[in-house]
Amino acid sequence: IQMTQSPSSLSASVGDRVTISCRASQGIGDYLAWYQHKPGQVPRLLIYAASTLQSGVPSRFSGSGSGTDFTLTIASLQPEDVAIYYCQKYGTVPRTFGPGTRVDLK
Amino acid sequence: VQLVQSGAEVKRPGSSVKVSCEVIGGDFDVFSVSWVRQAPGHGLEWMGGIIPVFKTPHYAQRFQGRLSITADRSTKTAHMELSGLGFDDTALYFCTRARYSGRQIEGDQWGQGTQVSVSS
Repeated sequence: IQMTQSPSSLSASVGDRVTISCRASQGIGDYLAWYQHKPGQVPRLLIYAASTLQSGVPSRFSGSGSGTDFTLTIASLQPEDVAIYYCQKYGTVPRTFGPGTRVDLK
Repeated sequence: VQLVQSGAEVKRPGSSVKVSCEVIGGDFDVFSVSWVRQAPGHGLEWMGGIIPVFKTPHYAQRFQGRLSITADRSTKTAHMELSGLGFDDTALYFCTRARYSGRQIEGDQWGQGTQVSVSS
């Protein structure tokens, strides 16, 4: 199963709503996680089961989708959200990551 | 829970590298330990993983035949050995720990990363 993401990068202003898409080449139910990776840090789990927010993650992050199409939404972009975002399928091995979406400030 | 990885390595092309990951302060046996790498200018790549109590590792297809992942339950340490190193294996290698209970992901801790550089 291959994972793709779009766009590969985006620039947005503080306060903007940001949407990132992830697509699986075959259905994966809702076994989909989203990670945030900032330079010099380890990746951080934001969302699992497609829409469940990990403890401690700000509520401006949300996820949706099932089957093959998934979305990560940042309701109001903040400066600390600048990072690369990855989706990952985890129901079965291999737990493949998507190629990532870079989010920058405009 | 902390995951503490071994130090940076510089290797010659064609050689092997072994990276360790000690789990401190948490359960080891029933959590999945995975290895993820990030090459310069590239994204995260899942390489493989193991649940120590079950002993059987799983590998991404592209690493089949040159990747070995093991877990020592007595020392709560996982090991990743990659052989036949090429320049494109230069990367930051992470170990991660999580338990997958149905849809729930419990834990999800990461080691600090180990830089492996392949150079002639």
